[in-house]
Amino acid sequence: EDQVTQSPEALRLQEGESSSLNCSYTVSGLRGLFWYRQDPGKGPEFLFTLYSAGEEKEKERLKATLTKKESFLHITAPKPEDSATYLCAGYNYGQNFVFGPGTRLSVLP
Amino acid sequence: EAQVTQNPRYLITVTGKKLTVTCSQNMNHEYMSWYRQDPGLGLRQIYYSMNVEVTDKGDVPEGYKVSRKEKRNFPLILESPSPNQTSLYFCASSFMIAGYNEQFFGPGTRLTVL
Repeated sequence: EDQVTQSPEALRLQEGESSSLNCSYTVSGLRGLFWYRQDPGKGPEFLFTLYSAGEEKEKERLKATLTKKESFLHITAPKPEDSATYLCAGYNYGQNFVFGPGTRLSVLP
Repeated sequence: EAQVTQNPRYLITVTGKKLTVTCSQNMNHEYMSWYRQDPGLGLRQIYYSMNVEVTDKGDVPEGYKVSRKEKRNFPLILESPSPNQTSLYFCASSFMIAGYNEQFFGPGTRLTVL
C-alpha cells in the first residue's frame, strides 16, 4: 500500500533559523513527488514537483530535494509569513495522489 | 482568472439527507479529484477522474458518488450522509501531462452532518 509520512508533525522556528522538513514515501511507480503549502482554512497551494532522485528545485527561501526514499524541504532564514502547513504527496502509476499528514510550521518573529 | 470553484463553502445537514457539492474548473484540465481532510489524517483522495466519463476510486470512496459528464465539472454526491462524513472537502484539478500536472485546489467545503 502506498504511504507518505512526514516529520516532524510540528516545528517552531525563530525568524532566520533555517531547518528542514522530511517526507518519506513508499509509492509504487512514483511519477512525481509534490510539495504544497496550506494556510488555515484554505486549499493547498502548489510549491514544487520533483520527478527523479537527485533533483532539486528552489523558490525564494525554499528548496526541495528528492532521494529514492525521501524528500526534504529546506527552509533558509524563514520569515513569519512562511508559517503554514507543508504537505507532500506522491503521484503513482495508478494516477492517484497519496498525501502525507503535513508538517505545521510556525516561524516566530 | 484560472480557478477551481466549489459550492457551497459551508453546509450543515442531517443524517440521510442527500446532498451534492459542486466543483468547477476553468483551466481545461483533464484530471479532477475530490479529497477530504481530517485532523491528524491529512488529505485523503475520495474519487478522481482522468477525463469525461472516466472516474476511479481513491482511498476512501465509501459513501460517495461522483460523475463527470462535462470536462469542467465534477460534482460530489452524498446519497445518505452520516456523521462520519463530517469533514473539510477539497476539489482539485490538473493537466495529465507529466511536468504540468500540479494540482490546483478549490477553497474547500466544510460539511457538518448531524
